[in-house]
Amino acid sequence: AQSVSQHNHHVILSEAASLELGCNYSYGGTVNLFWYVQYPGQHLQLLLKYFSGDPLVKGIKGFEAEFIKSKFSFNLRKPSVQWSDTAEYFCAVKSTDSWGKLQFGAGTQVVVTP
Amino acid sequence: NAGVTQTPKFQVLKTGQSMTLQCAQDMNHEYMSWYRQDPGMGLRLIHYSVGAGITDQGEVPNGYNVSRSTTEDFPLRLLSAAPSQTSVYFCASSRGRNSGNTIYFGEGSWLTVV
Repeated sequence: AQSVSQHNHHVILSEAASLELGCNYSYGGTVNLFWYVQYPGQHLQLLLKYFSGDPLVKGIKGFEAEFIKSKFSFNLRKPSVQWSDTAEYFCAVKSTDSWGKLQFGAGTQVVVTP
Repeated sequence: NAGVTQTPKFQVLKTGQSMTLQCAQDMNHEYMSWYRQDPGMGLRLIHYSVGAGITDQGEVPNGYNVSRSTTEDFPLRLLSAAPSQTSVYFCASSRGRNSGNTIYFGEGSWLTVV
């Protein structure tokens, strides 16, 4: 069975600091990878996704993620965070033959202080 | 184009009551699913459907029923609510089996069982 592990449950950092959130998954087949963000009181929004090709993918709001197949990792990065990046971030994995069944990580709560 | 619409957005139930969370999509998507979100556990799949008349269990199906009589609608029923079902529920949909299809989420339904 698939599983997704996010390394940190809570991250606190100051504005302009760099952010990196770790995500590792376990699955033997071909996967699609996603990062979702949930701002306080809101629904999930897709930040970025990887299906194939260039392992460095760029998403919205200045986020990027790198797929490292040998490490089963898909870490999310942002060079300089803003207060508005305060949110919960979820890594998700879907095997390519499983329709829309996403396996989510537990989430990382990110708090950016002014 | 409304996307994925969930109702109600907020609901308080007494233990033992029944209710239905509604989910509708207007994108002619074959795949629909229900997730529940709990602190520290990410989103977990409850039930899913790959087309009208076809449903299957996800990771945490106990206490929930679903049906898919039309392509557009995928209601989630709680027959006898329990406090453990206090959660935020998200409906999602996507087109077909192609791994490149975007998965769309509804805005969530906040359910409290007292």
